[in-house]
Order: sequence, then C-alpha cells, then structure tokens
Amino acid sequence: AQSVSQHNHHVILSEAASLELGCNYSYGGTVNLFWYVQYPGQHLQLLLKYFSGDPLVKGIKGFEAEFIKSKFSFNLRKPSVQWSDTAEYFCAVNAPYSSASKIIFGSGTRLSIRP
Amino acid sequence: SQTIHQWPATLVQPVGSPLSLECTVEGTSNPNLYWYRQAAGRGLQLLFYSVGIGQISSEVPQNLSASRPQDRQFILSSKKLLLSDSGFYLCACQPSSTDTQYFGPGTRLTVL
Repeated sequence: AQSVSQHNHHVILSEAASLELGCNYSYGGTVNLFWYVQYPGQHLQLLLKYFSGDPLVKGIKGFEAEFIKSKFSFNLRKPSVQWSDTAEYFCAVNAPYSSASKIIFGSGTRLSIRP
Repeated sequence: SQTIHQWPATLVQPVGSPLSLECTVEGTSNPNLYWYRQAAGRGLQLLFYSVGIGQISSEVPQNLSASRPQDRQFILSSKKLLLSDSGFYLCACQPSSTDTQYFGPGTRLTVL
C-alpha cells in the first residue's frame, strides 16, 4: 500500500535560515507528488507539485522540491525562510490516472520561524 | 477556478446526536469529491470519496457515512456521534482530467 513519511514533526528555525523538509514515499509505480501548506487559520493550499519532467520543481513563495526517484524522496527546500512561512507542511502522493486519484498524505511537519 | 464551501465552520454536538456536514463546489463540473479528517500530528485521513452522483467509496470503517445527492454537493453524516468523531473535517475537490485536489476551509467538530 502507498504511504508517505515525514520524519520531522516539528522544525524550529530562525529567519533567513535554510529549510529542508524530508518526504519519503512507498509506491511501486509512477507517482504524482505534492506539497501542501496550511498557514494558521487558513485553507490547505497547494504549494507545488511534480507530475513528470524536470525533477526540480518550483512552487509559490520561493519554495522548491526535488524528486529523487532512486531514493523515493521529494524533499521541500527554501534557501531563506521568513516568519510568514510559519505553517504546517504536508507531503502527498497519488497514482496518476487511477479512477479516484486518491491522495495519500504524510503526517505533516509543523514549521515555526523565530523572528 | 473552483471554489469549495463547507458548512458549518464549527460545530459542537453532544454524544449520540446526529450530524450533517455539507460541502458544495463551484466552478467545475463532474469533479471527484473527498472527505478527510485531520488530526493533530497525524495528517489527513481519507474517509470517503466519490467519482459521481450517488457513488460513494468508504476508506475506513467508522461511525460516519457520506452521500452525493448532486454533482457538486457532498454530505458527511452520522446517526449517532461518538466522542472519537471530534476533529477537523476537510472536503476536497479534484476537477475532472486533473490530478490535483483543492481543499475547502474545513469544519471543526467537537463532540461532548
């Protein structure tokens, strides 16, 4: 069965620090990969996604993620975080073209940025 | 682009009472619809999904049920709530011919 692991449950950084949030998945076939973000009091929203092509994908607000197929990983990065990046981040995976396209989510990583 | 509405935003109910949470979608037709429950530190758990009117698939056995009476309406129900039903319920929509899900604002349910 598909699963997604986010090993960091809570990350605390100072402003301007670099960020890398880990995400590993288990699935034997072709996958679509997502990072969603939930800012305090706001909707869950899509940060970036990988379907095919260049394994380095860029999203909103300066975030990027790299798909490394051999490692089953899709880590999220940002070179310099801001206080406004404080949020919960979810990695997710689904199998493309399946009838219901069920997305499997990781347990989330809470990011706290010290001003 | 699609907009997802959820009603109510918050709800406090006694144990044993019924439940009805509503999700409506605008801006797309024939989407896949999903109900998730979000628990702190445990991510999002898929409860139900629907690929069309009247078509409901359940992911986990539980005290809840779902229905899709119209193309863009998805309802989460229970006949008798349990304490363990407390949580944050999210509705999601996946427009046809895409592989991306979009989420509503959620409903915070507290069962006392």
